[in-house]
Amino acid sequence: AQSVTQPDIHITVSEGASLELRCNYSYGATPYLFWYVQSPGQGLQLLLKYFSGDTLVQGIKGFEAEFKRSQSSFNLRKPSVHWSDAAEYFCAVGPAGNNRKLIWGLGTSLAVNP
Amino acid sequence: GAGVSQSPRYKVAKRGQDVALRCDPISGHVSLFWYQQALGQGPEFLTYFQNEAQLDKSGLPSDRFFAERPEGSVSTLKIQRTQQEDSAVYLCASSSDGGRQGDYGYTFGSGTRLTVV
Repeated sequence: AQSVTQPDIHITVSEGASLELRCNYSYGATPYLFWYVQSPGQGLQLLLKYFSGDTLVQGIKGFEAEFKRSQSSFNLRKPSVHWSDAAEYFCAVGPAGNNRKLIWGLGTSLAVNP
Repeated sequence: GAGVSQSPRYKVAKRGQDVALRCDPISGHVSLFWYQQALGQGPEFLTYFQNEAQLDKSGLPSDRFFAERPEGSVSTLKIQRTQQEDSAVYLCASSSDGGRQGDYGYTFGSGTRLTVV
């Protein structure tokens, strides 16, 4: 079955600390991979995406993610967290092709301590 | 418009009432998606349009849910005889088409929060 697992429901980090949010997936073929961020009352915003090629992808707001095929993982990282990064983060996977139906993880809630 | 617009932002419905949720996609975007996001959950796919054609409605939870996009732009998600389990945020997203990888990441609206009482 196709699924996305985000093992950490909630993470708290101090401002300026590094961050890693985990994402593992189960999919029939290598999917397209995404990270989205959702702030309270806001829509989902795309942080970054992986289709093929270089397995380390750069996104907006200083985020990056690394695709590891052998581990079926696509972990999100940021070297130094800012208070404004507090939000809900979702990992999603989808097929190559025109029907871009995404399968989503349950999300990781990030809190940032001053 | 500049972004995906959804209305209303909030809707309270009495159980058994019919509701209609509207999505205005980005102008020119061919693909349109509806997702349902329950509290504390990730979004769940409901349905997908390419222009006016509904190509996938496999995620609609029951025949009480109906979506349309008659002119290939604005879309309406209708829920008949609402139930408490329908309470969720309903998200709409649009993207340009062509199957081009660069267009895959779609733009979401802020959602409609439906509460059925």
